[in-house]
Amino acid sequence: QVQLQESGPGLVKSSQTLSLTCTVFGGSVSSGNYYWTWIRQPAGKGLEWIGRIYAHGNTNYSPSLHSRVTMSLDMSRNQFSLRLDSVTAADTAVYFCARSTIYAVTLDSWGQGSLVTVSS
Amino acid sequence: QSALTQPPSVSAAPGQKVTISCSGSGSNIGSNYISWYLQLPGTAPKLLIYDNNKRSSGIPDRFSGSKSGTSATLGITGLQTGDEADYYCGTWDSSLSAYVFGTGTKVTVL
Repeated sequence: QVQLQESGPGLVKSSQTLSLTCTVFGGSVSSGNYYWTWIRQPAGKGLEWIGRIYAHGNTNYSPSLHSRVTMSLDMSRNQFSLRLDSVTAADTAVYFCARSTIYAVTLDSWGQGSLVTVSS
Repeated sequence: QSALTQPPSVSAAPGQKVTISCSGSGSNIGSNYISWYLQLPGTAPKLLIYDNNKRSSGIPDRFSGSKSGTSATLGITGLQTGDEADYYCGTWDSSLSAYVFGTGTKVTVL
């Protein structure tokens, strides 16, 4: 059973860069069978898909965040990462990493989430 | 950028049935598989239904999914207090090249 765990700073200053890492246990980020995905959820609001990365390095990003997002893989550490530039208070949210199947794009395993607060 | 519309809330008494609708378009629900996710208070979402109507591991048959055209429906029968949660639909949008979630529905057991 695969497990995912987010890690990173809980507080980021406005205009700076948010960086989070997701460590995968019981599975491999080098597997060609899955996409590795980031999702976020502001307090009291719904889920927002941020983007995904594939083992070969291919990425898809949300059109609304595309200009500020970069995702990467570290196969040696079995991790994938999110970088969000020029953050504002609107980027304050719980950030989830998840595994997505290739064919039907099902988010079948999720991390527990990491709260990131953007301060002024 | 929610592209899928769900009712904000549904409610019913214990033992009763509720249905949650998810409305989209031809570029998302109309041409891709739909999934449903359950989010209990203070926890991460969990996969409930995938490939339109298949239950994820460990999910009881009280939960069912269906899809028709550009809409999908989640049904919950024999409602229990433990079913009180937020439910989200989700699917790939081929026009956006992005995954889209529904707006979310809160289920309340009266």
